[in-house]
Amino acid sequence: DQQVKQNSPSLSVQEGRISILNCDYTNSMFDYFLWYKKYPAEGPTFLISISSIKDKNEDGRFTVFLNKSAKHLSLHIVPSQPGDSAVYFCAASGPGTGNQFYFGTGTSLTVIP
Amino acid sequence: NAGVMQNPRHLVRRRGQEARLRCSPMKGHSHVYWYRQLPEEGLKFMVYLQKENIIDESGMPKERFSAEFPKEGPSILRIQQVVRGDSAAYFCASSPRWQGAPNEQFFGPGTRLTVL
Repeated sequence: DQQVKQNSPSLSVQEGRISILNCDYTNSMFDYFLWYKKYPAEGPTFLISISSIKDKNEDGRFTVFLNKSAKHLSLHIVPSQPGDSAVYFCAASGPGTGNQFYFGTGTSLTVIP
Repeated sequence: NAGVMQNPRHLVRRRGQEARLRCSPMKGHSHVYWYRQLPEEGLKFMVYLQKENIIDESGMPKERFSAEFPKEGPSILRIQQVVRGDSAAYFCASSPRWQGAPNEQFFGPGTRLTVL
């Protein structure tokens, strides 16, 4: 039972354009969401998070949008840079999960110079 | 400040052998989590530990897998009698003391287990 889903396994974007990575979840109790970035042979690194009391959180080139009614969140990267090429995981947590995060299957982003 | 450390980075075992994976959390972090990433899949939660306590092991296979986080020393994920299906990347993460709200988890570089 995959509670967090990333339906696009890969995405290619031209340098300078916007990258939009999507994530859907099924558990309406989730109230905290994160995005992690992962390079090959390394562990995931935290990128940005959002609490369910907000619908948007911005940090530099990265913005996360949360649509609670649709149980959907997205990560926008603008402008995209070649160094952004990595696998992006979304993760969710909520009451009753303690500090356990549920991860999506990841989206591999390639930014073409 | 050293990050989360895992060793070994690569581990090769033959079927039936034991695998021991070690994780040292970030300084000041008392919560440790183990995740497994199978090929072409996302990270799957396995177990959540605090010092000398298993808090949540709902993601651990019922047999052959065990985890501990002793008072002194690293957290250990132990897989007995490994099978080929155990081949995966195993990631450890740590976070500060639970404060009633989720904390960001900091990940180690992972241990890639290959079972021959």
